[in-house]
Amino acid sequence: ELKVEQNPLFLSMQEGKNYTIYCNYSTTSDRLYWYRQDPGKSLESLFVLLSNGAVKQEGRLMASLDTKARLSTLHITAAVHDLSATYFCARSGAGGTSYGKLTFGQGTILTVHP
Amino acid sequence: DAEITQSPRHKITETGRQVTLACHQTWNHNNMFWYRQDLGHGLRLIHYSYGVQDTNKGEVSDGYSVSRSNTEDLPLTLESAASSQTSVYFCASSERPNTEAFFGQGTRLTVV
Repeated sequence: ELKVEQNPLFLSMQEGKNYTIYCNYSTTSDRLYWYRQDPGKSLESLFVLLSNGAVKQEGRLMASLDTKARLSTLHITAAVHDLSATYFCARSGAGGTSYGKLTFGQGTILTVHP
Repeated sequence: DAEITQSPRHKITETGRQVTLACHQTWNHNNMFWYRQDLGHGLRLIHYSYGVQDTNKGEVSDGYSVSRSNTEDLPLTLESAASSQTSVYFCASSERPNTEAFFGQGTRLTVV
């Protein structure tokens, strides 16, 4: 069974602090995605990670992928209030019946406090 | 600008009624997906399509159907709405099966 597990599910941070969200998946994946969702809104694509060792950065967010460990991380540097949102990781299959279909983690609700 | 739109944005319906949620994209993407979002479950795939006349069942397809008569639209039908189908529904599309998916604004459906 395909599983994608994120932790933590809830994250309360102080502004200026660093933290990491972890995304573990159960089977070989072709690629890994990170999305952001603001309350009541749609999902916004943040990162697409294509291969082992891939690292992408945008502002205070950096995502990485370790396909051997089946682990992706989303690192937050010097958090600011605007980063408060729900973050999802999702994997898509390499082929067969899972090809192109996204399997999502449960989401991590991030709240950044002053 | 190309986009993906869902309608209605909010819908309240009664148990047992048939409901159709619309999804329209102007990117000319072949691949379209329907997900439902429930707290604690993330997003789960209901149905998907890789092109006109192609439809496939996802993880939670029972009680739902889709049809794909053109590239732009993938309507989702709840045959006989149940309270368990109260959820937020998202439509998405992608250029190729394994590329980034773009999501619509979502439809909040309440079945009473």
